Amino acid sequence: DIQMTQSPSSLSASVGDRVTITCRTGQSISKYLNWYQQKPGKAPKLLIFAASSLQSGVPSRFSGSGFGTDFTLTISSLQPEDFATYYCQQTYSTPPWTFGQGTKVEIK
Amino acid sequence: EVYLVESGGGLVQPGGSLRLSCAASGFTFSTYSMNWVRQAPGKGLEWVSYISSSSNTIYYGDSVKGRFTISRDNAKNSLYLQMNSLRAEDTAVYYCARALVTTTARWFDPWGQGTLVTVSS
Repeated sequence: DIQMTQSPSSLSASVGDRVTITCRTGQSISKYLNWYQQKPGKAPKLLIFAASSLQSGVPSRFSGSGFGTDFTLTISSLQPEDFATYYCQQTYSTPPWTFGQGTKVEIK
Repeated sequence: EVYLVESGGGLVQPGGSLRLSCAASGFTFSTYSMNWVRQAPGKGLEWVSYISSSSNTIYYGDSVKGRFTISRDNAKNSLYLQMNSLRAEDTAVYYCARALVTTTARWFDPWGQGTLVTVSS
């Protein structure tokens, strides 16, 4: 199975801050990396697919980058509605398609 | 609009069985692969199972292999998860999610709202 290491597990930030979350995989996955946002009691919502493609309807302050084993989700200017938990997911080759441990973004 | 709606969750005793359903609407269900993903209370996301559009290809996570069975009925636009020999550690919210695939990527969108399965005596 492909191991995922997502960091940090949590962070505190203020509205307007630039936030960066990283995801590292145990082997190269090309760009088979997705990012999801989850708010309490809600289903995950797709933000970024294929490492850097912004899902339709997602604000442009969200961006993704990376290839191979190292990936980043960046929120350029944190907004009140962005406080949530974020997960990376690898979908390389055959399953299991694993998720990172999650990053909880909290208000400072 | 694309919708996925899960149902069938509830309280079941250890060793018991439960069948989850996922009703799809707003897209041509028969042309998409589907997945089940679960989330234990306060924990992260765990991929559970995958089924191709024609049911020709099926995968399971190691934690459910031999106990869970995924299936679909394209005529009814429905996805199912038959869960047998349930354990306390199967307690979770179960989500169905559509898979989108290109030659260089694969992602899950949308997800249903989830259905809670609680395994307890």
